[in-house]
Amino acid sequence: NAGVTQTPKFHILKIGQSMTLQCTQDMNHNYMYWYRQDPGMGLKLIYYSVGAGITDKGEVPNGYNVSRSTTEDFPLRLELAAPSQTSVYFCATSRGDTYNEQFFGPGTRLTVL
Amino acid sequence: AQKVTQAQTEISVVEKEDVTLDCVYETRDTTYYLFWYKQPPSGELVFLIRRNSFDEQNEISGRYSWNFQKSTSSFNFTITASQVVDSAVYFCALRSYNTDKLIFGTGTRLQVFP
Repeated sequence: NAGVTQTPKFHILKIGQSMTLQCTQDMNHNYMYWYRQDPGMGLKLIYYSVGAGITDKGEVPNGYNVSRSTTEDFPLRLELAAPSQTSVYFCATSRGDTYNEQFFGPGTRLTVL
Repeated sequence: AQKVTQAQTEISVVEKEDVTLDCVYETRDTTYYLFWYKQPPSGELVFLIRRNSFDEQNEISGRYSWNFQKSTSSFNFTITASQVVDSAVYFCALRSYNTDKLIFGTGTRLQVFP
């Protein structure tokens, strides 16, 4: 099992460009999440999904969009990238049970110049 | 409001020393869950432990131990006989029973020198 995979690992984006960060899981988890981690900070939740077709905003959703058409995939779209979106992006999944601990992908380091 | 505070930004120790990472949380809920994650230099986050608010038993796993005290709203993490491989950023996180969202602390960077 690959667990949670994210592509790309690194990317440099120009201001105003758009891109999609990919996240795929083979853990058959219902819940998926997108976080961003800024230097010296903890993780902030961008969007999450409790199942295919259902998404909801987290703490910092502005400038991002998500979709969840399948259980396995949860892409994060950046529209009109800004330097403030330079960050490391983590995708995570969880079963949605009582404890609901989250399992994380390896991250995507994104720089917007 | 929920909040997790990790007041220690960075800790440096020499190998074989014991080290304790502090985590203090705030919540008004009576049912909640606490977690620790490790982020090694490679960058991924590794789940270490979870605790629910009704279980104040301390837990030991090899060189790792966790001390959960509701009276002081703390969930501290101790590494005994630290090793260089323990060098990482450690995050404490909180989740209320009625939400799927994790609230993370800002992390403690642990550096273990040989």
